[in-house]
Amino acid sequence: DAGITQSPRHKVTETGTPVTLRCHQTENHRYMYWYRQDPGHGLRLIHYSYGVKDTDKGEVSDGYSVSRSKTEDFLLTLESATSSQTSVYFCAISAGLEETQYFGPGTRLLVL
Amino acid sequence: EDQVTQSPEALRLQEGESSSLNCSYTVSGLRGLFWYRQDPGKGPEFLFTLYSAGEEKEKERLKATLTKKESFLHITAPKPEDSATYLCAVQAPGSNYQLIWGAGTKLIIKP
Repeated sequence: DAGITQSPRHKVTETGTPVTLRCHQTENHRYMYWYRQDPGHGLRLIHYSYGVKDTDKGEVSDGYSVSRSKTEDFLLTLESATSSQTSVYFCAISAGLEETQYFGPGTRLLVL
Repeated sequence: EDQVTQSPEALRLQEGESSSLNCSYTVSGLRGLFWYRQDPGKGPEFLFTLYSAGEEKEKERLKATLTKKESFLHITAPKPEDSATYLCAVQAPGSNYQLIWGAGTKLIIKP
């Protein structure tokens, strides 16, 4: 157990509303990641962070922003949700000498 | 372009029927290849990391092997509880620990 929690676990929202997902870790890992997972696709990286206030874009960053003001929290924001952002969102941290990624339980988001 | 392809998309086996899952990759200078297991409604769970051609790792009924172009996940005498989606990912040099993921193989073991 890498001590990763995600909240909320499920959310239904309407198109055009802002949404923030939270990832919390308890072990002070430097690297944190946000992915989305959709049928027929592999996990796709949205944004990642390599320290407090240090973030960078991933493969599918359009429409998403992130913030990391504390080591333990990494927030993903959908400024104006669209139906194409309906997905399952996973947070991950990397740990150990091999920087292996470990995943949280996921947030299932439905945008109507 | 760096790419990871997993095959087959889905595999149905009888309990005890051994088989292999494939992960082929096109990456210049592989830093590591990772296997994960994902159960429905849960996050991926780490299984193995392989670094160089010829390397093998085992865990219970699973054995992962690596060549210069692909990796295999061999499942020996599987049980129904081995049913899951198995994901493969690779890490390229200079990637800041980012992974390139395959779409996964859904494995169903029938009792």
